[in-house]
Amino acid sequence: GAGVSQSPSNKVTEKGKDVELRCDPISGHTALYWYRQSLGQGLEFLIYFQGNSAPDKSGLPSDRFSAERTGGSVSTLTIQRTQQEDSAVYLCASSSPGHQRETQYFGPGTRLLVL
Amino acid sequence: SQQGEEDPQALSIQEGENATMNCSYKTSINNLQWYRQNSGRGLVHLILIRSNEREKHSGRLRVTLDTSKKSSSLLITASRAADTASYFCAPGNSGYSTLTFGKGTMLLVSP
Repeated sequence: GAGVSQSPSNKVTEKGKDVELRCDPISGHTALYWYRQSLGQGLEFLIYFQGNSAPDKSGLPSDRFSAERTGGSVSTLTIQRTQQEDSAVYLCASSSPGHQRETQYFGPGTRLLVL
Repeated sequence: SQQGEEDPQALSIQEGENATMNCSYKTSINNLQWYRQNSGRGLVHLILIRSNEREKHSGRLRVTLDTSKKSSSLLITASRAADTASYFCAPGNSGYSTLTFGKGTMLLVSP
């Protein structure tokens, strides 16, 4: 079946603009995660959705970052008033409610460049 | 989740050779996963081993877990150029959990 998809693949924006990144998880996956990876850095957790529970926003670096998940499926990560330090690859992952719910399936990522 | 520490940081081998990389962690776990990343994108789950398992195989991959030493190893047999990637371990608890990666092992397989 289809994997996790993300759009756009690449986004170049000017400092101060808002951007929206989209993630389509694997159908039936109830958990959805957003991470980012800066050049030469490790994986940084941003936010996590699981079913109808309140999202875990503990990884969001500032109040310029927000995310929502509509209908338990598609998720949008919004970055307001972008800064150059927001430049990174933003990765989305989902996992199923089955016995290997720990396994995360990643999308190809969105490479964000803030000029 | 906790961060694992991969060793070595870099490994360079020839096609056909075996590659072994290690992971150490600090506190008790329910499971440990290995992921691969090509060219800074494309994170792919390779294998998950639970704390009550000592060894697990998947194709050319063999993973071991020693909970007494808090360590795991990933062996790739008969490596191919396509195995060139960074490899990360993720020690974890049961159920849904965020992943935390260390710096990984960068594997280069030369033809």
